[in-house]
Amino acid sequence: AQSVTQLDSQVPVFEEAPVELRCNYSSSVSVYLFWYVQYPNQGLQLLLKYLSGSTLVKGINGFEAEFNKSQTSFHLRKPSVHISDTAEYFCAVSDVDTGRRALTFGSGTRLQVQP
Amino acid sequence: DAGVIQSPRHEVTEMGQEVTLRCKPISGHDYLFWYRQTMMRGLELLIYFNNNVPIDDSGMPEDRFSAKMPNASFSTLKIQPSEPRDSAVYFCASSGTGTYGYTFGSGTRLTVV
Repeated sequence: AQSVTQLDSQVPVFEEAPVELRCNYSSSVSVYLFWYVQYPNQGLQLLLKYLSGSTLVKGINGFEAEFNKSQTSFHLRKPSVHISDTAEYFCAVSDVDTGRRALTFGSGTRLQVQP
Repeated sequence: DAGVIQSPRHEVTEMGQEVTLRCKPISGHDYLFWYRQTMMRGLELLIYFNNNVPIDDSGMPEDRFSAKMPNASFSTLKIQPSEPRDSAVYFCASSGTGTYGYTFGSGTRLTVV
């Protein structure tokens, strides 16, 4: 069974400051990793994904994430946030080996960007 | 591409009534997923289909919930009878075989009073 832990339920940050949202996962098999963003009253939008290859993955809106297999982490970073980045962010995993396509999501981190 | 289309956006119903949520996936996508989002439990997978066939329904809470996908362009999630604890946002998402990561719909906010 897989699980995803997002340790921070809320992250307040000032505009133009850097931010890191943490994600750790647990799985007995190889995984694909994803970050999604959810704006108020909207569905989830894919920010970026790690499938294979380079462990540093770049996504939309200036976000990037680094896959660290030894630490089973996939932290999301942005060097300078904007007010418009205020949203809920979800980390998710899916199996590589079993072919099961369902995603297991973390509990989410609410990013609050303050002026 | 209109994306994944869900209807209705909001549904308020009385306990005991039947509720039907609808989803139109992206054309060409052969995977369809139903998720439920609540404050207490976060995002939970209810069921997913591949080529219109249910693959994993282990997340369906109980027999009151049922899901169908009669063709590649339409799926329904039905709750009968509904209960207040079913109040949540229900998301539909779709994905293609060669891609990983879903496209989500805007969700249906269900309130059972």
